[in-house]
Amino acid sequence: QVQLVESGGGVVQPGGSLRLSCAASGFIFSSYGMHWVRQAPGKGLEWVAFIRYDGSNKYYADSVKGRFTISRDNSKNTLYLQMNSLRLEDTTVYYCAKNGGDAFDFWGQGTMVTVSS
Amino acid sequence: SSELTQDPAVSVALGQTVRITCQGDSLRNYYANWYQQKPGQAPVLVFYGKTNRPSGIPDRFSGSSSVNTASLTITGAQAEDEADYYCSSRYGSGNHWVFGGGTKLAVL
Repeated sequence: QVQLVESGGGVVQPGGSLRLSCAASGFIFSSYGMHWVRQAPGKGLEWVAFIRYDGSNKYYADSVKGRFTISRDNSKNTLYLQMNSLRLEDTTVYYCAKNGGDAFDFWGQGTMVTVSS
Repeated sequence: SSELTQDPAVSVALGQTVRITCQGDSLRNYYANWYQQKPGQAPVLVFYGKTNRPSGIPDRFSGSSSVNTASLTITGAQAEDEADYYCSSRYGSGNHWVFGGGTKLAVL
């Protein structure tokens, strides 16, 4: 069965950096695009970034463009999100999600990032 | 426009039918997808595209669309359907995605 397991969350100061990872299993990782989606506590979902199956194209929400970088290592079945210049408003749960049929068809359980001084 | 608008809250009596709507310009070009999220859990895809229900999702969940509005219908709502529901679609050139603000469904 499809499994997505995020890691790398934690507490970081404003302006700091963090790298999230998402370990994938149960499907052919190299055949599917992948997303990062985030959700602030008690708030709605926000799409963050998408990377094509082969890493050839990457797309970002305006709120993170220029600060966050999505990448993948198909040999390790792992998705990444490098987050730089973190702001207080980046404090959210970050989910990785598999792209399927133009939808986010499977989600991880999320990893919490807290930006605080 | 990249906005999708949902009613913040909807209620339904146990066993009755409820429709959750999502409105936005992106829906003129792209299908909506629907997600159910229960407290403390990750979202789950419950309906996508024109007519697709993921494996394991009860057939009481169905979707429809018209012009710039998409709907998720739950026919015979159950207590376990109480959750937040989010719509989502691509927008613009199709390389970005947007979510609606979510609808909290109460099953009375």
